[in-house]
Amino acid sequence: AQSVTQLGSHVSVSEGALVLLRCNYSSSVPPYLFWYVQYPNQGLQLLLKYTTGATLVKGINGFEAEFKKSETSFHLTKPSAHMSDAAEYFCAVTPASGGSYIPTFGRGTSLIVHP
Amino acid sequence: NAGVTQTPKFQVLKTGQSMTLQCAQDMNHNSMYWYRQDPGMGLRLIYYSASEGTTDKGEVPNGYNVSRLNKREFSLRLESAAPSQTSVYFCASSEAIFATNEKLFFGSGTQLSVL
Repeated sequence: AQSVTQLGSHVSVSEGALVLLRCNYSSSVPPYLFWYVQYPNQGLQLLLKYTTGATLVKGINGFEAEFKKSETSFHLTKPSAHMSDAAEYFCAVTPASGGSYIPTFGRGTSLIVHP
Repeated sequence: NAGVTQTPKFQVLKTGQSMTLQCAQDMNHNSMYWYRQDPGMGLRLIYYSASEGTTDKGEVPNGYNVSRLNKREFSLRLESAAPSQTSVYFCASSEAIFATNEKLFFGSGTQLSVL
């Protein structure tokens, strides 16, 4: 069975500072990995995803994530935070094989950006 | 571009009342899902429909029923609402549950309070 752990329910940064949101997965086979963002009073939307190939994945709004198999991690980063990045971020995994690709979501990390 | 549309956006119920949450997508997707979102719990899958005519239980199906009315519509019914069902409910869709790399498209959610 697959699972995903997001370290830190809240992360607080200053505007212009580095954003680092952590995600670790547990799976016998490296899964497909996703980051979704949820802005206030909205549904989730995809930021980026990793399936195969290049381990550094670039997404929308300047975010990127790196798949590290040895660390079973898929951390999300952004060099410089903007006020508009304040939102809830969810890491998700789906199995890379097995027939059904229903994603399992982490518990979410709320990003707070201070002026 | 409507995407995934959920109604209603807000609802207050008394314990024991019933209601149906409606969801429709206009992207010709085969698979549809119902999630609930609770603070600190992330998104948990209630039911899903891999294709028209099929439905299956997710992680937390107790107290809910679903109907895949046609390819576009997937409704969630609470037969006898309980306070533990106070939550934000999200409907989502994807092209195909059995396809790799598929991202989910989410509606904007229904905020349900059961008193």
